[in-house]
Amino acid sequence: QKEVEQDPGPLSVPEGAIVSLNCTYSNSAFQYFMWYRQYSRKGPELLMYTYSSGNKEDGRFTAQVDKSSKYISLFIRDSQPSDSATYLCAMSGGDDKIIFGKGTRLHILP
Amino acid sequence: ETGVTQSPTHLIKTRGQQVTLRCSSQSGHNTVSWYQQALGQGPQFIFQYYREEENGRGNFPPRFSGLQFPNYSSELNVNALELDDSALYLCASSLYGEAFFGQGTRLTVV
Repeated sequence: QKEVEQDPGPLSVPEGAIVSLNCTYSNSAFQYFMWYRQYSRKGPELLMYTYSSGNKEDGRFTAQVDKSSKYISLFIRDSQPSDSATYLCAMSGGDDKIIFGKGTRLHILP
Repeated sequence: ETGVTQSPTHLIKTRGQQVTLRCSSQSGHNTVSWYQQALGQGPQFIFQYYREEENGRGNFPPRFSGLQFPNYSSELNVNALELDDSALYLCASSLYGEAFFGQGTRLTVV
C-alpha cells in the first residue's frame, strides 16, 4: 500500500462547478497537510498548508483534514478555466520530508 | 514567484555522464530539499540539507549527492547517469515547514 493514494483523473467539470479533490494516506505520523497546484512543465505552487485535523479556507479554496479517517480534501468553488492544472496532495510528519500523491489532472470546461 | 531559482531549465546528457543542478533558495530559508518527478508521477524526495548538513535522504542510490553552501544555495549531483534518471528535478526551500518550489530542471538522458 502506498503511503499516499490519489486518483490521477483526469477530472473534467464545467466552469462554475464545485470541484472536490481527495487523498487517503496510511501513515498516522503525518501532521502537516498540503495541496499544491502544478501547471504543465512548471514547479508545484503551494495552495494550502494545514496542521492536524480541521478546515482551512482561502478565497475559493477550502482544505479539510480528517485524521481519524486518514482522508484529506480540497474544494474549489466557482471553478475557472485557469484552475485547470494538476493538483498534488502532500503531507509530512514535521521533518520537512514531504510525501506526495501522484496528482489529479483537473480540466475546467468553459 | 517563490524566489526559488533553479538552473539550468533544461539539459540533455548521455548515459554514463555526470550532471550538476543548481538551486538558489528563498531569502532566509535555511532548509533545501531536492525532489525527482517522473512524468505522470508526484515528486519523490531525494534528500534535504539544513545548514550545510544532509538532514534526511529518500530511497535514492549514493550516485545522487548534494551540497549546501553558506548562503543556503544548493547543488544536486548525479553520477553515472541512467536512462531512468530522465525527470523533472525540483528544489524546494523552507524555513518553518512550508516548502516553496522552484520551476525545476528538466533532465533528459539519452
